[in-house]
Amino acid sequence: SQTIHQWPATLVQPVGSPLSLECTVEGTSNPNLYWYRQAAGRGLQLLFYSVGIGQISSEVPQNLSASRPQDRQFILSSKKLLLSDSGFYLCAWVPRDFYEQYFGPGTRLTVT
Amino acid sequence: DQQVKQNSPSLSVQEGRISILNCDYTNSMFDYFLWYKKYPAEGPTFLISISSIKDKNEDGRFTVFLNKSAKHLSLHIVPSQPGDSAVYFCAAPVASGGSNYKLTFGKGTLLTVNP
Repeated sequence: SQTIHQWPATLVQPVGSPLSLECTVEGTSNPNLYWYRQAAGRGLQLLFYSVGIGQISSEVPQNLSASRPQDRQFILSSKKLLLSDSGFYLCAWVPRDFYEQYFGPGTRLTVT
Repeated sequence: DQQVKQNSPSLSVQEGRISILNCDYTNSMFDYFLWYKKYPAEGPTFLISISSIKDKNEDGRFTVFLNKSAKHLSLHIVPSQPGDSAVYFCAAPVASGGSNYKLTFGKGTLLTVNP
């Protein structure tokens, strides 16, 4: 069966520090991968998605970037965090040609 | 530009009664809809979906109804249980190139089921 992992589960970082969040999927190959953010009291905002290694599409211009160095690995990064980057970050995957996305457990990021 | 709208931020119902969560959409080209359930500090989980060729899909206590002419769908939970208390998101797939899709989500409705 397929599983999706995210780490770390929680993170507290000072303003101006770098960020690296990792997402990996097991039990499938060639998935589409997605990064979302849920800010406090808000809905799910799609940040990036990837249809293959090295292929990244950005939905919202911002302080973040994404990379997909391996088929089942998706990384969210920032060089310098802002207070507004605080939120709950979710990774999701979907098999090709399907609609239902499956979400990871999320990372709670607090920028202080 | 919100293509999927959930206009009720919250809903409170009594245990055992029916919960009705509503969702409106603006794009008549949408042909598939999904509902997700999300507990605090967890990722959303897929709940139920419906294709536009149907007007109803049922799975246990959960039923989704689709009214294409009104561009409206609703999720019914009968009977409601305290464990159903969560945020519910409605979503629709949007083409993102080739045969790939991304989901556009509503802002969610917080359902509270009181014992």
